Amino acid sequence: RKEVEQDPGPFNVPEGATVAFNCTYSNSASQSFFWYRQDCRKEPKLLMSVYSSGNEDGRFTAQLNRASQYISLLIRDSKLSDSATYLCVVVLTGGGNKLTFGTGTQLKVEL
Amino acid sequence: DGGITQSPKYLFRKEGQNVTLSCEQNLNHDAMYWYRQDPGQGLRLIYYSQIVNDFQKGDIAEGYSVSREKKESFPLTVTSAQKNPTAFYLCASSTPNRKQFFGPGTRLTVL
Repeated sequence: RKEVEQDPGPFNVPEGATVAFNCTYSNSASQSFFWYRQDCRKEPKLLMSVYSSGNEDGRFTAQLNRASQYISLLIRDSKLSDSATYLCVVVLTGGGNKLTFGTGTQLKVEL
Repeated sequence: DGGITQSPKYLFRKEGQNVTLSCEQNLNHDAMYWYRQDPGQGLRLIYYSQIVNDFQKGDIAEGYSVSREKKESFPLTVTSAQKNPTAFYLCASSTPNRKQFFGPGTRLTVL
C-alpha cells in the first residue's frame, strides 16, 4: 500500500461547481498535513495546512479525519484558474520532518 | 525579494558526465531538501539537510551527492552513477513548522 494515495483524476467540472478530493495515508503516526497546488511544469506551491478541526481559506476547505486516516479538500465556486494538480502531503514528525507526497489529483475547470 | 532560486532552468547532460544543480535561499531556513519528479509520479526525496555541514540521504540518494557549506546554499550533483537522471529536480526549504517552499526547478535531460 502506498504511503499516500490520491485519485489521479482528471476531474472535469464546469465553472462554478463544487468539487472535493480525498487523500488517504497509511502511517497513523503522521503528524502534519498539507495541500499543495502544482501547475503544469511548475513547482508545487503551498495551498493550505490541514487541521483536525478543519480549516477554511476563502473558497477552499480542508479537513482531516485521523480515525479513518484521510484528508480532504473542498473547492467551492470553481474558477478556471483553479485548474491544476492538487498534491496531498503528509509529514512524520522527527527524522528531518520529511514530506511524503501523493501523486496528485488533476482538476480541469471548464466553461 | 525573499525566496528560493534554482539554476539553471534547463540542463542537458551527456551520458557519463557529472552535473551540479544550484539551489539558493534567502529565507533564513535551516532545513533544505532535494526532490525529483517524474511524469505521473509524486515527488521523491533525494537528500535533505537540517543544518549547515550536515545532510542525510532520502529515499533515492544513489547516484547523487550534496554539500551544505553555507546556510543559504544546497547544491546537488548528479553523478554518472545515476542510471536514469532525466527528471524535474526541485529544491525546497522548510520553516520550523514543517511548511516547505519550493524553487522553480531544474529540468535535466540526458542526451
